[in-house]
Amino acid sequence: GNSVTQMEGPVTLSEEAFLTINCTYTATGYPSLFWYVQYPGEGLQLLLKATKADDKGSNKGFEATYRKETTSFHLEKGSVQVSDSAVYFCALSITGFQKLVFGTGTRLLVSP
Amino acid sequence: GAVVSQHPSWVICKSGTSVKIECRSLDFQATTMFWYRQFPKQSLMLMATSNEGSKATYEQGVEKDKFLINHASLTLSTLTVTSAHPEDSSFYICSASPDRVLGNEQFFGPGTRLTVL
Repeated sequence: GNSVTQMEGPVTLSEEAFLTINCTYTATGYPSLFWYVQYPGEGLQLLLKATKADDKGSNKGFEATYRKETTSFHLEKGSVQVSDSAVYFCALSITGFQKLVFGTGTRLLVSP
Repeated sequence: GAVVSQHPSWVICKSGTSVKIECRSLDFQATTMFWYRQFPKQSLMLMATSNEGSKATYEQGVEKDKFLINHASLTLSTLTVTSAHPEDSSFYICSASPDRVLGNEQFFGPGTRLTVL
């Protein structure tokens, strides 16, 4: 079946630190991969996506590269800010956006 | 951007009662809406997909008579948890998509926390 595994949190960092949140997947077929972010009290928002191997998704300083050989889609940011504190969800879809399979979410806490 | 609201944001009810949760797309018409359930420290699990004007499609293992979904208009879908029991306590999240075309983005509501006593 299709599944997503991401690192447990919380991840606690100081402002301007480098961020990596690991995400690996298992899928039948060729999935599209996504990172969603959920800020406190708000709904999940699409952060970035990649639809095929070696694609790099990027947005707001965050990046993730679709690695087929390692079935991974790790999220990175070079310098985090307090405002990046949120829960980050890795997800995949075999059918575009229509049926999403989510990881468990990783809470990021950034202190000044 | 596209905004999806949910009401209520939290609800506490007694065992055996029914609870209705509303999901609204505020600034776009949602042809398709999705309902998810999330347990603590677990993934969002898709419960059902509903298309406006037709019956919802439920995922395997989800009781359609327990979780009634209505998508009567292009901006509103409701999830009714019937005869709720403590094991139904969870975080329910909806999302909405403006089109049936594959590849269309889902926009998520903030979720509703249901606690059944």
